[in-house]
This record gives sequence, structure tokens and C-alpha cells, in this order.
Amino acid sequence: QSVLTQPPSASGTPGQRVTISCSGSSSNIGSNYVCWYQQLPGVAPKLLIYRHYQRPSGVPDRFSGSKSGTSASLAISGLRSEDEADYYCVAWDDSLSGYVFGTGTKVTVL
Amino acid sequence: EVQLVESGGGVVRPGGSLRLSCAASGFTFDDYGMSWVRQAPGKGLEWVSGINWNGGSTDYADSVKGRFTISRDNAKNSLYLQMNSLRPEDTALYYCARGLEFDYYYGMDVWGQGTTVTVSS
Repeated sequence: QSVLTQPPSASGTPGQRVTISCSGSSSNIGSNYVCWYQQLPGVAPKLLIYRHYQRPSGVPDRFSGSKSGTSASLAISGLRSEDEADYYCVAWDDSLSGYVFGTGTKVTVL
Repeated sequence: EVQLVESGGGVVRPGGSLRLSCAASGFTFDDYGMSWVRQAPGKGLEWVSGINWNGGSTDYADSVKGRFTISRDNAKNSLYLQMNSLRPEDTALYYCARGLEFDYYYGMDVWGQGTTVTVSS
């Protein structure tokens, strides 16, 4: 079951900045690393951010992550049409001894 | 090229069993923890199970605990998921994913394309 809460949707016009929140608790985001994934339709998830704000090589710097307390955020700046996708946060949960994924946010480029 | 290729999915009746496999290539398999993650049709991602680099540590989601078993064969660069007592709610696309480090709880970077499991009578 999802324990991390994300808004179901977010949108923006090309070039705008969109921010997605991910709310958790002390047993997950508060004490463990957060990752963010992008999932395009019919494709496996792609890692965008790890260890709260680190970007893997090849991920544009338009994508940035942050964490404060028991919440995390993903920001997409300079929004592009190819950014239309579902986005998920995830963190290890010490109480559950397992990963908890966010509920997912569908980003639409208007 | 770093690659994970899942296989073994199919259609099975409730109560039945399946064994999923994940073949790894392009990296030193026993340097990484591994996980299985599933996605039911039209739903979000759900972590299923994880295993550390040498198989000495494993964890399971409560939804599969006691029914699924994760294992690995480092000599064959392969990850497995034995699924018993399958239920209709286990119907999903199952992904194999590489951990970021020796253990599996720091995040996952590389994902396979998934294998579909359908549990139906």
C-alpha cells in the first residue's frame, strides 16, 4: 500500500516550472533517501533523482529534487511536451522494512 | 549495456504457482542488491521484495509475505521470484530492478521491461 502522498495531477505550459510534492513520515522520508521516477506510458520507470537530489548521468538538470523533514519535492523547470508522464517518489520505510511508493502524479503539458 | 530481462510470467489459476526470472548483463551482478516491483493494470508501483548482494538479507511486502520467495544465483547473474498461493490481486506487470548499492534499500536505478502475471480462473 502507498504510504507516501502525492497530488494526483499537475500541469503547466511549455517553459513553466512544475513542482510535485511527496509527503511521508519519520519512518520513511524522515530517515531514508528519496528517489523519484518518471514513467512514460507503457514503459518501465526511469530514475530521475536519487539520494533526495542527486541526478543520474543523462538526466537533464531541468529536474531537481529536495527534501525537508518528512516531505520531498520534485521540480521540473522549462517544462517540455516530452515531460508528460507519471511521476513517483519512493523511500525505504524502517517500520515496514520495505519500500513505500508515492501515489503517483500525472503531469500534463498544456 | 546494463540490462535486466524478466521472464516466466503467464496466466495461472488462483492458488497456483509461478517462478519469475531476471537475467542481468552489462554489470557485476554480485555488486548490487536487487528488488522486484509490480504494477497492477492502471495502478501505481508496489515494491514486492528485495535481496542484498549475496542473498543473505531479504525483505518482503506484507501483501506477499509467506507466499513469495526471492533468491539469486550470482554465478548465473540471475534473480528469481518464486510465487506460490497466487491470488487475483497478484495480477500485475512484475519488474526486476537493480539497487543502487550492495543492499537494496537505497533506491533502484536500472529496471527491466517487466513480465506479466495474470491470476484468473
